[in-house]
Amino acid sequence: DIQMTQSPSSLSASIGDRVTITCRASQGISNYLAWYQQKPGQVPNLLIYAASSLQSGVPSRFSGGGSGTDFTLTITGLQPEDVATYFCQEYISAPWTFGRGTKVDIK
Amino acid sequence: QVQLQQWGAGLLKPSETLSLTCAVSGASFNDYYWSWIRQSPGKGLEWIGEVHYSGSTKYNPSLKSRVTISRDTSRSQLSLQLTSVTAADTAVYYCARGRTVSGAVAPFHDWGQGTLVTVSS
Repeated sequence: DIQMTQSPSSLSASIGDRVTITCRASQGISNYLAWYQQKPGQVPNLLIYAASSLQSGVPSRFSGGGSGTDFTLTITGLQPEDVATYFCQEYISAPWTFGRGTKVDIK
Repeated sequence: QVQLQQWGAGLLKPSETLSLTCAVSGASFNDYYWSWIRQSPGKGLEWIGEVHYSGSTKYNPSLKSRVTISRDTSRSQLSLQLTSVTAADTAVYYCARGRTVSGAVAPFHDWGQGTLVTVSS
């Protein structure tokens, strides 16, 4: 199985800050990487696929990058509604695996 | 708009069988693979397995000996059975739309509302 390691596990930032979350795959996954946002009590919601493609309806302050084994999710201009846990997921080969999540809150 | 509506028993005793069903609407059931995923504080998000409209399945090796995923194409439904449950199987279980039947890999675009399953004596 491919292991997905996210860092940090949690962070606090101020409104308007630029926030970056990283995800590392235990082996190369090309760009088969997705990011999900999960707000408290809600279902995971797909934000980004193919490492950098924004899902329809997702605000442009979210962006993704990387390829191979190292990936990033960046929020440029953190907003109160971005308080959530963010997960990465590889989908190059089954069993599809997820990172353990990064909890983002407001300082 | 794709909707996945799931239901099933939420409280089980150890050794019992977990059984959940998910009904799909707004998408052609035959165009995608449909997955079950679970989420627990201890293991995070864990993919359980998937089913194709033909009935073919793929399972996570970590659960394969206890899992059966089936489908009813006439009702656009998929089902999950997990046998011999223990407290470690306590989690929120989700159904989700996965890759296309053409083979193109894809993330999970649409999810069910989740069902909390608690295993306790």
